[in-house]
Amino acid sequence: KAGVTQTPRYLIKTRGQQVTLSCSPISGHRSVSWYQQTPGQGLQFLFEYFSETQRNKGNFPGRFSGRQFSNSRSEMNVSTLELGDSALYLCASSLAGSLSGANVLTFGAGSRLTVL
Amino acid sequence: AQSVAQPEDQVNVAEGNPLTVKCTYSVSGNPYLFWYVQYPNRGLQFLLKYITGDNLVKGSYGFEAEFNKSQTSFHLKKPSALVSDSALYFCAVRDMRGSQGNLIFGKGTKLSVKP
Repeated sequence: KAGVTQTPRYLIKTRGQQVTLSCSPISGHRSVSWYQQTPGQGLQFLFEYFSETQRNKGNFPGRFSGRQFSNSRSEMNVSTLELGDSALYLCASSLAGSLSGANVLTFGAGSRLTVL
Repeated sequence: AQSVAQPEDQVNVAEGNPLTVKCTYSVSGNPYLFWYVQYPNRGLQFLLKYITGDNLVKGSYGFEAEFNKSQTSFHLKKPSALVSDSALYFCAVRDMRGSQGNLIFGKGTKLSVKP
C-alpha cells in the first residue's frame, strides 16, 4: 500500500513569507503527527491531529499551525518565516496516534524548507 | 518529564564486527521504547519496539535491542554490521501518563560502518 506522501519535497522561501506543507497519510490511518528536524535540535514534536482535531501540541510559537481534513490529509502552515525555521519537516501517520503506547509511526520522506 | 538520551553522536565500526548504539531513557511510568533509522534524504523507518515482556526485542534487518529496567537503557545491537547499516539512528520513548503520550526522540547517533 502507498506510504505517507509529503509535498512539496523541497522549497525555498524568504523571511516574512508563509508556507504550507501537505501530508497524505497511509490509507486508514486517522492520526497525523508533525515533527521538525534540525541538526541542532534534532526531532521536535510540533502537533498531532486525530479525526480533524488537534490532540497535542508541542512547544512552538503560534506561527506554526496545522489542520486535518475529513480524509485525514493534513497541512501545516508556518507564517512570517524566520531563518531558524529552515528544517526538514516530517509527517507521520498511525492508526491510533498518541492514544496507544505501542503505536508505531510511519514517516514520510519530509519537506525540506530553506528560508533565505 | 520524559526524555531519552543517546550519549554518542557517532559510532564507527568495521564491517562484520558487532555494533551497539546506546540509549537511556527517563519516564515516570512504564516506558514504551522504539528505535528508528533514517537514511540520507529519507524519513524515519521503524526498526523495533519494546512494550512489555521479553527484555530482548528483535526487529528489522537483523537488529535487536535489550531493555534494561535497572539501568533505564535500551541499547540497539547487531551481531555483524554491514556497510549498508550506515545511517542515523534514533531512540524514542513514549510515556503514557495521562492516557496519551507523544513520541519523544533522542538527538540521534550516526552509525558509520567501514568496509
